[in-house]
Amino acid sequence: DGGITQSPKYLFRKEGQNVTLSCEQNLNHDAMYWYRQDPGQGLRLIYYSQIVNDFQKGDIAEGYSVSREKKESFPLTVTSAQKNPTAFYLCATWGGNTIYFGEGSWLTVV
Amino acid sequence: RKEVEQDPGPFNVPEGATVAFNCTYSNSASQSFFWYRQDCRKEPKLLMSVYSSGNEDGRFTAQLNRASQYISLLIRDSKLSDSATYLCVVIRSNFGNEKLTFGTGTRLTIIP
Repeated sequence: DGGITQSPKYLFRKEGQNVTLSCEQNLNHDAMYWYRQDPGQGLRLIYYSQIVNDFQKGDIAEGYSVSREKKESFPLTVTSAQKNPTAFYLCATWGGNTIYFGEGSWLTVV
Repeated sequence: RKEVEQDPGPFNVPEGATVAFNCTYSNSASQSFFWYRQDCRKEPKLLMSVYSSGNEDGRFTAQLNRASQYISLLIRDSKLSDSATYLCVVIRSNFGNEKLTFGTGTRLTIIP
């Protein structure tokens, strides 16, 4: 089945460490997005990409980095510069006038 | 001003009641609109698209008012299973870049 695969589903990070969240899609969609969701809050845009080797900052890009070396893959790195990274992270694609989501990744700083 | 603003909730309504949410958007160039439902600790799922002519899917009705720049969602005869957070989404295309902006979500609890 076509869809989006995010991994890992749960991740614990020590302060000062970088971590990378994986997002892979087999929908052949050009547009991919990363969102952050805090408890009781909506989705805030971190980064998005419309084409391979190109991406744009969203509303809360500080402390995060991305790459888009392949159409299928849009990994998100949460760097040590992100001071409050504990949150639910969602990867999404846009295609056929529909938004598709991965199942999300829960990141906790310990 | 936020690009998308949504009724904050929470809405606690009795089973069988009718409930309505609104969501306003600031950019008149916005092109596509959706309502998504999100259950606790899950990814959002598409509830329905929103069109100017209005659209209905069973007990759910969505409406777009471009002149006043808002979208609405009406739920009739609410069920316990309707308890969730409802997110509005506004899509705007800017030189080929499509930006998806979500509202903060409205939490709905249906009370037996």
